Amino acid sequence: GDSVTQMEGPVTLSEEAFLTINCTYTATGYPSLFWYVQYPGEGLQLLLKATKADDKGSNKGFEATYRKETTSFHLEKGSVQVSDSAVYFCALNSGGSNYKLTFGKGTLLTVNP
Amino acid sequence: DADVTQTPRNRITKTGKRIMLECSQTKGHDRMYWYRQDPGLGLRLIYYSFDVKDINKGEISDGYSVSRQAQAKFSLSLESAIPNQTALYFCATSDTTGTSGSYEQFFGPGTRLTVL
Repeated sequence: GDSVTQMEGPVTLSEEAFLTINCTYTATGYPSLFWYVQYPGEGLQLLLKATKADDKGSNKGFEATYRKETTSFHLEKGSVQVSDSAVYFCALNSGGSNYKLTFGKGTLLTVNP
Repeated sequence: DADVTQTPRNRITKTGKRIMLECSQTKGHDRMYWYRQDPGLGLRLIYYSFDVKDINKGEISDGYSVSRQAQAKFSLSLESAIPNQTALYFCATSDTTGTSGSYEQFFGPGTRLTVL
């Protein structure tokens, strides 16, 4: 079945540091890949997505590239801010008949001033 | 106004009580989902519904039931709550056509449920 493995946290960085959160997946077919973000006390929001191999999703300075050869979708940001502190979830949707999302366990990011 | 709303936002109840969590959406989506979130476990799917007449169990449906009263409303019930159902519960929606084929889901703000 489908699965998502993402880097365990927590991750603590200083403001303006470089961020990488690793995500690898196992899926049948050609899944769509997502990064969702959950700010404290809130629901999940879509951060970025990619629907086919070599696509790069980007939003708010975050980027992730869909790498089919390594089954990866790593999240990166060149310079994090305190306001980026949140839990980040990698997810996939392998389509088919039900379009369910399969989530990783989440990575807590804390950015200190 | 929020597109996906959940009520209540917080609930404390006792073991054995019946609890209903409600979800409403104004996005016009046909598909709705219920997830629970536990620390270190990510989100796990409880039930999902493709339309009013189509309801399906997810990976952790035991102890839960759902009702799709209308396209816009999807309720989750705990018939007899137990402490290990203490969690954060999320409702989500998606549409049939998807956006660029991705079928992304849109989440409500969550309900924090505590069962004593």
